[in-house]
Amino acid sequence: GQQVMQIPQYQHVQEGEDFTTYCNSSTTLSNIQWYKQRPGGHPVFLIQLVKSGEVKKQKRLTFQFGEAKKNSSLHITATQTTDVGTYFCAGTTSGTYKYIFGTGTRLKVLA
Amino acid sequence: GAGVSQSPSNKVTEKGKDVELRCDPISGHTALYWYRQSLGQGLEFLIYFQGNSAPDKSGLPSDRFSAERTGGSVSTLTIQRTQQEDSAVYLCASSHNTGSRDTQYFGPGTRLTVL
Repeated sequence: GQQVMQIPQYQHVQEGEDFTTYCNSSTTLSNIQWYKQRPGGHPVFLIQLVKSGEVKKQKRLTFQFGEAKKNSSLHITATQTTDVGTYFCAGTTSGTYKYIFGTGTRLKVLA
Repeated sequence: GAGVSQSPSNKVTEKGKDVELRCDPISGHTALYWYRQSLGQGLEFLIYFQGNSAPDKSGLPSDRFSAERTGGSVSTLTIQRTQQEDSAVYLCASSHNTGSRDTQYFGPGTRLTVL
């Protein structure tokens, strides 16, 4: 079945350092969404990418969707302690509304 | 407006008992999802409802799990004869229209502990 893997599983960075998480799907995706889950909280939507090669930015966050629509990345510039949490990607394939979530990357920012 | 609500927030039950988890989606949202999240793990898709269409039940792990959505609004996830491996946080999410291209708004979840 479809699998979505994320690397790394964990990342500890010093405040001010950059951070990147990568999402890789075993199948071509129709679209991909990114969510952030704070410790003890529920996932909160960040962004959706639909087009091949699409790049979107939200302040210090940059999201990319691969040309083949099988991978995506989230890059955070100059991390802050408020960036702490687990970042999940979630994708669907054509003809289905079933979202497969990635394994998540847990980010810890050291002040 | 009000977000997605779930009840109870916590449920402790004994192995073999049945439990019902409730989800109230955002008013007007036609799509509703149930997910399961084990401690420190990702989200596992369970079931998807869209309007009056037949639900996508492909993620339900066994026939002990079932879900209903009455009147296109409130949904109930039922787990029969609970097992210890059912312990997890059960998350509900709703979205405005077709689920494929819309934001999913998550509820706070129900933490289920099976003793």
